[in-house]
Amino acid sequence: GAGVSQSPRYKVTKRGQDVTLRCDPISSHATLYWYQQALGQGPEFLTYFNYEAQPDKSGLPSDRFSAERPEGSISTLTIQRTEQRDSAMYRCASSPGGGFGEKLFFGSGTQLSVL
Amino acid sequence: QKEVEQNSGPLSVPEGAIASLNCTYSDRGSQSFFWYRQYSGKSPELIMSIYSNGDKEDGRFTAQLNKASQYVSLLIRDSQPSDSATYLCAVIKRNTGKLIFGQGTTLQVKP
Repeated sequence: GAGVSQSPRYKVTKRGQDVTLRCDPISSHATLYWYQQALGQGPEFLTYFNYEAQPDKSGLPSDRFSAERPEGSISTLTIQRTEQRDSAMYRCASSPGGGFGEKLFFGSGTQLSVL
Repeated sequence: QKEVEQNSGPLSVPEGAIASLNCTYSDRGSQSFFWYRQYSGKSPELIMSIYSNGDKEDGRFTAQLNKASQYVSLLIRDSQPSDSATYLCAVIKRNTGKLIFGQGTTLQVKP
């Protein structure tokens, strides 16, 4: 696609529900990142993928968080049994890959509110 | 200790002045360094990257890297009100793809 697309743009859920966020990266981009950003803070690393491989998921806050990229393209981030502290902007970014240090292209983000 | 540290600010400078933004990082093995700009309510966008010690200039922006001191800075010359934003320092560790951001410094350029 022309840019990184994230859906939904906004998600309101009740505490204890599961949510799945979607990221559609730029076509052919090998690397995909997920970040969590609280208001007034920088993006916090959650995990990243090189194609379908997930070399680092050290930033996932707990085992309630998981991410997939089964075909090396679209990725989903799932939060099980949501808690109020999970409320934040979730940002996806992609880069061409093949080297470390390329420009990241960010999507518009998904604003998650847990009531 | 955070892996990438920035003063959150706000840093306020008058229009036309030089704005100096600073960042330190904890992992000596870090190899790639970036400055992203984020306008309020928007996504981050890359403005500078730097990989070796010294200065790198791009228009009104100069990035400076000192690996011995584990220090990265961004200078913005002739600051404009449109430069008012949060500036995020980001670092990649050696031989990984893990890109870590600092908390950002808010810059306010006053007309």
